[in-house]
Amino acid sequence: DADVTQTPRNRITKTGKRIMLECSQTKGHDRMYWYRQDPGLGLRLIYYSFDVKDINKGEISDGYSVSRQAQAKFSLSLESAIPNQTALYFCATSRGTGRDTEAFFGQGTRLTVV
Amino acid sequence: LAKTTQPISMDSYEGQEVNITCSHNNIATNDYITWYQQFPSQGPRFIIQGYKTKVTNEVASLFIPADRKSSTLSLPRVSLSDTAVYYCLVGDRNTDKLIFGTGTRLQVFP
Repeated sequence: DADVTQTPRNRITKTGKRIMLECSQTKGHDRMYWYRQDPGLGLRLIYYSFDVKDINKGEISDGYSVSRQAQAKFSLSLESAIPNQTALYFCATSRGTGRDTEAFFGQGTRLTVV
Repeated sequence: LAKTTQPISMDSYEGQEVNITCSHNNIATNDYITWYQQFPSQGPRFIIQGYKTKVTNEVASLFIPADRKSSTLSLPRVSLSDTAVYYCLVGDRNTDKLIFGTGTRLQVFP
């Protein structure tokens, strides 16, 4: 089983619909992140959470919201999806302090808004 | 947050050594330098991390000069499977929020 699991892997939705992308991890890490990646471009940080009670906006948070339900779960919501939110979304986790702070990524969720 | 600059793309041939340089002129005392590799449609994967001088693991080496204003990721004897995007990140390991940037697209030819 993957250490960081994203569901769904692929999703097509209509403009204006609310959609939730889910991420769960078995690494025991405190820190979780959501990124989006557009074709040919790098990753852009949407939201990040350093622990269950901590939520922070990233580079491009407009149009998105998140929920940290538990240490292991971090969900990303698009309240009213629009076509320019079509992208590949990645969730990541990291230990965050001391040594071995590398980030681990999920398999990605390919979202298409029509 | 230290900003990084790296080449947009690089080409190489199988068997050659590839060096990708990242500039980070405003690196702070507590900042570490970390490199990730990303294949198409996959999440990035950690390659190596360092603070100063040289770090080597089974995949790559990371060279950091004394002033730490730049760093070089060295991939020995690349193969076709090393074709990927490589990201340089700079930040405090305890507080950094992992900003990736656009990376360097490495294309390895036969």
